[in-house]
Amino acid sequence: LAKTTQPISMDSYEGQEVNITCSHNNIATNDYITWYQQFPSQGPRFIIQGYKTKVTNEVASLFIPADRKSSTLSLPRVSLSDTAVYYCPQAREYGNKLVFGAGTILRVKS
Amino acid sequence: DTEVTQTPKHLVMGMTNKKSLKCEQHMGHRAMYWYKQKAKKPPELMFVYSYEKLSINESVPSRFSPECPNSSLLNLHLHALQPEDSALYLCASSDIPFSGANVLTFGAGSRLTVL
Repeated sequence: LAKTTQPISMDSYEGQEVNITCSHNNIATNDYITWYQQFPSQGPRFIIQGYKTKVTNEVASLFIPADRKSSTLSLPRVSLSDTAVYYCPQAREYGNKLVFGAGTILRVKS
Repeated sequence: DTEVTQTPKHLVMGMTNKKSLKCEQHMGHRAMYWYKQKAKKPPELMFVYSYEKLSINESVPSRFSPECPNSSLLNLHLHALQPEDSALYLCASSDIPFSGANVLTFGAGSRLTVL
């Protein structure tokens, strides 16, 4: 089964909105879509999770179309501290197995 | 307590040594994981324990031996490692294994260097 697919890298400036897309071609009916953020030499950190339509929390929004074949993580007004790798891992074996793709390196410049 | 604690943070060992990595969580989570992450690569799943039983082994070489003494602790025993095993080893836990809404909480990792 293929892993999820994301852009390798993105550059942005402080204060801009950043949208990172992920393709989920093999997503199972019961699987949610979850995004993680990772800083160097730290473990990934949960950002947001959704099943369909739009979800928003204090740090991000997640947009999922009706066919659930893709998702878009939206980071409003990024700052330098948002420079990190962002992952949308694929769940397998009923959610017990989280498989990470290459991730998107987001670089925020001043 | 909402953290996963890993010790040691750094470990240097020779190829003939035996060492262990330790992981602890007190969130009542029922699944625990070991991942391996090489520089500039994504985390790779190694083992999954669900309800204290090994449920997934991703064909990991036997020089890595996991152990789950209880629901809060997870160990990774290391023996006769190779230099290419040098990596960041990440432990994670989750409260709803076997669910499509599974969310993992990761520790900060143990940086292993094999000489």
